[in-house]
Amino acid sequence: GQQVMQIPQYQHVQEGEDFTTYCNSSTTLSNIQWYKQRPGGHPVFLIQLVKSGEVKKQKRLTFQFGEAKKNSSLHITATQTTDVGTYFCAEGRGANNLFFGTGTRLTVIP
Amino acid sequence: EAEVAQSPRYKITEKSQAVAFWCDPISGHATLYWYRQILGQGPELLVQFQDESVVDDSQLPKDRFSAERLKGVDSTLKIQPAELGDSAMYLCASSLGSGSRTTQYFGPGTRLTVL
Repeated sequence: GQQVMQIPQYQHVQEGEDFTTYCNSSTTLSNIQWYKQRPGGHPVFLIQLVKSGEVKKQKRLTFQFGEAKKNSSLHITATQTTDVGTYFCAEGRGANNLFFGTGTRLTVIP
Repeated sequence: EAEVAQSPRYKITEKSQAVAFWCDPISGHATLYWYRQILGQGPELLVQFQDESVVDDSQLPKDRFSAERLKGVDSTLKIQPAELGDSAMYLCASSLGSGSRTTQYFGPGTRLTVL
């Protein structure tokens, strides 16, 4: 079963507000990947984090990997309606296996 | 930009019937995956192929599910007989290399409804 937990499950924000989703594991993660799934769509790769304490940015998105490699976060600054969707973290494990978190569904209110 | 192709996009069937889904990965991608995504949850791996060989099918319900990738290119996932609990999105993904750090590219999925 899935061992990567994500919080919150749902988040409603006003357009322009910030948004953060957290991914937590009870075990040390080899690497973490983040995917976005638009309503009715399929998961699309956003980024991969490998190193302890790593921080990566993509425009308004900031991704962090915890020092102990047991947690990760995705922060969106000044959300836009195009940010709507479900954000999944996925643990890379074994021979190409990805174990997806439970996801955080983001709704942006214009 | 190359994409993973899947068909059909939607399938409605009655329980006890057989269904089949097709996937064509991005050209040159040796690794192919089938995932099942139940509404409101993350995708869960059903089976993974490296070329024509199954690498991992530990989560595949083998009494009713089967998957093949005969020539190491496109793949078919079959369910026989379908049950009500099989209603879900079936996603195919492919990747160029192997290893847990490889990026996977997902197709649009097949949404299955079992009545």
